[in-house]
Amino acid sequence: DVKVTQSSRYLVKRTGEKVFLECVQDMDHENMFWYRQDPGLGLRLIYFSYDVKMKEKGDIPEGYSVSREKKERFSLILESASTNQTSMYLCASSQPGQHSEKLFFGSGTQLSVL
Amino acid sequence: AQKITQTQPGMFVQEKEAVTLDCTYDTSDPSYGLFWYKQPSSGEMIFLIYQGSYDQQNATEGRYSLNFQKARKSANLVISASQLGDSAMYFCAMRERSNDYKLSFGAGTTVTVRA
Repeated sequence: DVKVTQSSRYLVKRTGEKVFLECVQDMDHENMFWYRQDPGLGLRLIYFSYDVKMKEKGDIPEGYSVSREKKERFSLILESASTNQTSMYLCASSQPGQHSEKLFFGSGTQLSVL
Repeated sequence: AQKITQTQPGMFVQEKEAVTLDCTYDTSDPSYGLFWYKQPSSGEMIFLIYQGSYDQQNATEGRYSLNFQKARKSANLVISASQLGDSAMYFCAMRERSNDYKLSFGAGTTVTVRA
């Protein structure tokens, strides 16, 4: 069964900490994405990557960075966590090509910044 | 500007009845795809159904069908014969050819199925 795995289901961090959210996919997908999900706002794209070492800003990149050193792994980094980054973070992957390509999602990481 | 609008924050439906979830979208791109995802309380997003802008027929997948009205820019999801396991949040999403990598999501609709 195909899988996108996020390293933590729940995470509690303190303001100012550096936070790493890890995501691994086993489908050999080219594209990987990080979204955050907030009530009433749906999912908003933070960053995406269409190849190893390539990254593109999404709609809300401020306060975040990403790393993709290997095809299967895409990390989201909060350089200095703030309380307004408390959210559910969802990683996804897909193949490139037609706009019919669906995204496969991980189970999400609920991050609380205190 | 919001690309995907879901106006129903929450809905209740009786078991075995059908329910329609509204979705309208905004694009000037003639080539695009529309998706519906389900998110149960476990958190994982589950793909339900896809409709391409050039598809002549409305998409169907088992108990899910998509009522695609292109001129109205509407892509409503119909769930027939609701089951208790259908209780979840449902998201409508769109990918435009001009914006190929990005899937834009609506705010979601929470569906609660009552026994």
